[in-house]
Amino acid sequence: RKEVEQDPGPFNVPEGATVAFNCTYSNSASQSFFWYRQDCRKEPKLLMSVYSSGNEDGRFTAQLNRASQYISLLIRDSKLSDSATYLCAVNIRDDKIIFGKGTRLHILP
Amino acid sequence: EPEVTQTPSHQVTQMGQEVILRCVPISNHLYFYWYRQILGQKVEFLVSFYNNEISEKSEIFDDQFSVERPDGSNFTLKIRSTKLEDSAMYFCASSALVAGGQRGTQYFGPGTRLTVL
Repeated sequence: RKEVEQDPGPFNVPEGATVAFNCTYSNSASQSFFWYRQDCRKEPKLLMSVYSSGNEDGRFTAQLNRASQYISLLIRDSKLSDSATYLCAVNIRDDKIIFGKGTRLHILP
Repeated sequence: EPEVTQTPSHQVTQMGQEVILRCVPISNHLYFYWYRQILGQKVEFLVSFYNNEISEKSEIFDDQFSVERPDGSNFTLKIRSTKLEDSAMYFCASSALVAGGQRGTQYFGPGTRLTVL
């Protein structure tokens, strides 16, 4: 089983819609969880950390389910500028982040 | 806002040649990392570095790779004898020491695209 697994997409979503991505991780010792955004040929940029209680940042909501080893990201009122690849990432120890392959999102005008 | 910088943005080299990729981490950060991303694939961890030592490395980081912090600002990745399969985007990242002795968020540089011919 892959360490971090995501649906590669692409998700083609009309502007203004709500879209949700899921991610599963295999190592139950994972300590920290993140969503990064990566634009084409650019570096990953931290979108948000994911906490057990769930957290929200504007139009973005992240949830963590440790029992199911599952992380989600919800984007409300999607905008054209949200088009990107969304990377799920986990820290098993402090040293390294394990990334998923990413989910591609295209917001359609 | 402080950021991680990397040079060069693109490096083309012949197979078998040595390359050095350079990074300037965020100035008050203490933890440094290299990752790579082969085109179309996921971002993969290579190595982490703290207090002038490697603290963790992946299976990819074999004897052909080395890292160094030659002065107070630069953090370098050297590939001794490049192979075709080393062609990838190489990202440097850094993080701070935060409360509780934990490592903070990793911030990534813009990357160096390495092309091995």
